[in-house]
Amino acid sequence: DAKTTQPPSMDCAEGRAANLPCNHSTISGNEYVYWYRQIHSQGPQYIIHGLKNNETNEMASLIITEDRKSSTLILPHATLRDTAVYYCIVTEKGGADGLTFGKGTHLIIQP
Amino acid sequence: GAVVSQHPSWVICKSGTSVKIECRSLDFQATTMFWYRQFPKQSLMLMATSNEGSKATYEQGVEKDKFLINHASLTLSTLTVTSAHPEDSSFYICSVERPSGGHEQYFGPGTRLTVT
Repeated sequence: DAKTTQPPSMDCAEGRAANLPCNHSTISGNEYVYWYRQIHSQGPQYIIHGLKNNETNEMASLIITEDRKSSTLILPHATLRDTAVYYCIVTEKGGADGLTFGKGTHLIIQP
Repeated sequence: GAVVSQHPSWVICKSGTSVKIECRSLDFQATTMFWYRQFPKQSLMLMATSNEGSKATYEQGVEKDKFLINHASLTLSTLTVTSAHPEDSSFYICSVERPSGGHEQYFGPGTRLTVT
């Protein structure tokens, strides 16, 4: 799996959009970008994934650059419950492989 | 709703004893489940891949004789920590991959093991 780089921490004001960047410059053509988050003392939660097009679901939006070497997860209206560690993971789809977690970004939503 | 459950959610055991942790896939059948371990202030680390009807695949550095995995059905995998020691105290989390669509993984709520 390609390696990813994320900032260790970020702050965001409640109600504002939270933009979390991820660099994955060594991504290969058949690898997808997945985002998960882990709220303290809970199991990780799937957020969204994409290949090359921008994606949106009820939780977030995913913007992938045209060269696919980086992406941004957007939480449009952050709430205090969005405080968590966010992981950007690049992996093949359906490979039945376990995930390799980096250190992620600790997003803190400020009231 | 929950897609994956784990039992127990926490357990305290004495050094030298064995502990079994159950992971159940509630929404779909899973021929493959994954087990992770997470130490305080660290990220999740993949321990092993549990395969229904066959032997588990362990990551490098994980002792297969210490962490016994049984995947007896398409909805249940168990992890047994044998002869537990204080250094085995950790947060153990299982996951299941959706068999179609996005193939995203769904994680259980985790089991916190404390060995005294």
